Amino acid sequence: AQKVTQAQTEISVVEKEDVTLDCVYETRDTTYYLFWYKQPPSGELVFLIRRNSFDEQNEISGRYSWNFQKSTSSFNFTITASQVVDSAVYFCALSGPSGGGNKLTFGTGTQLKVEL
Amino acid sequence: KAGVTQTPRYLIKTRGQQVTLSCSPISGHRSVSWYQQTPGQGLQFLFEYFSETQRNKGNFPGRFSGRQFSNSRSEMNVSTLELGDSALYLCASSLGQGPNEKLFFGSGTQLSVL
Repeated sequence: AQKVTQAQTEISVVEKEDVTLDCVYETRDTTYYLFWYKQPPSGELVFLIRRNSFDEQNEISGRYSWNFQKSTSSFNFTITASQVVDSAVYFCALSGPSGGGNKLTFGTGTQLKVEL
Repeated sequence: KAGVTQTPRYLIKTRGQQVTLSCSPISGHRSVSWYQQTPGQGLQFLFEYFSETQRNKGNFPGRFSGRQFSNSRSEMNVSTLELGDSALYLCASSLGQGPNEKLFFGSGTQLSVL
């Protein structure tokens, strides 16, 4: 079975602080994909990044960076110099052959609040 | 390019009624998936359609059903509504149906069952 754990339910930071959102996953698949999605108050899930299990190269995109560590089954997401507009719920998700099709297994989400 | 469109945005029904939700995928996308989001259970997969065929189904009762049309538009139906069906129903589309596909989500239909 596939499982995604986001232990942080809610994080509050002051603008310009750096913040890291944690994600731990479980899967029996040898090839799998990890995703981060952002859900603002409007409700729409917005795709942020996708990583496959063979690509452990960490990535930086503007203020966002991702740290994928297969050895610890973690796929963490960092926002540098947070802004109020970053306030949203962030979901980590996993897909793989054992789930079937393009089915995503989501974590419970982390509510990020960035205050002035 | 227009995004995923879901209608209606809000819906209020009473127990025992049935409801139909609609989803128009991004042009050219052939896969449509549906997810239920509740505060208690989070985001849960309902089903996935590709080329008018259901390819995958989540662990939901038979009251939940769906279909996909030849233009890739999809509908999901919930019959004999229960209070616990109150949720945000999200539709997502993708080009293909593999596990590497990036899903694009609509803003959802907020269903309230009274």
